Amino acid sequence: AQSVTQLGSHVSVSEGALVLLRCNYSSSVPPYLFWYVQYPNQGLQLLLKYTSAATLVKGINGFEAEFKKSETSFHLTKPSAHMSDAAEYFCAGPNQAGTALIFGKGTTLSVSS
Amino acid sequence: DTGVSQDPRHKITKRGQNVTFRCDPISEHNRLYWYRQTLGQGPEFLTYFQNEAQLEKSRLLSDRFSAERPKGSFSTLEIQRTEQGDSAMYLCASSDLRSSYNSPLHFGNGTRLTVT
Repeated sequence: AQSVTQLGSHVSVSEGALVLLRCNYSSSVPPYLFWYVQYPNQGLQLLLKYTSAATLVKGINGFEAEFKKSETSFHLTKPSAHMSDAAEYFCAGPNQAGTALIFGKGTTLSVSS
Repeated sequence: DTGVSQDPRHKITKRGQNVTFRCDPISEHNRLYWYRQTLGQGPEFLTYFQNEAQLEKSRLLSDRFSAERPKGSFSTLEIQRTEQGDSAMYLCASSDLRSSYNSPLHFGNGTRLTVT
């Protein structure tokens, strides 16, 4: 079965510190993956997507993610955290039929001053 | 691009009542999805439409749930005889697969259902 796994349900960083949110996918997932961000009481907003054109993908708000096939990973990073980055982050990939996205359980990012 | 719109934003209902939610996708998006999200979880796929045809339903979509997308525009999701376990955020998303098979989903702000 297809799966997307996010390691760590909660990550806390200080403002200005590196942000690293981890995502692993099952090897049978076709090579396109997404990161979404969700602020309280809102829907999901697309941060970035990987579609095999380049392994390092840049997204909005200074985030980027690197697709590593050998590690079946698609970790999200940001060099310097801002208070406004505090939110829930979801990694997603296609289901087996390629008809819909399946999501990880999410990682809550907290940023302290 | 006015975004995906969902109505209502919040709905409180008593167990056993029927509820209906509406989703207006981004105009000209041919695919429309419904997801359910419970606290501390990622969105779970319920069903999707391509134009007016409902092409796939998840096992999560019990017989009490029904979704429609007449004329391939807006969609409604109805839950009959609501149960407390139906309490969740119901998210609608749309995408345009005519541009790319891997087009991202664009989400609305959701309808939060509370069943008392």
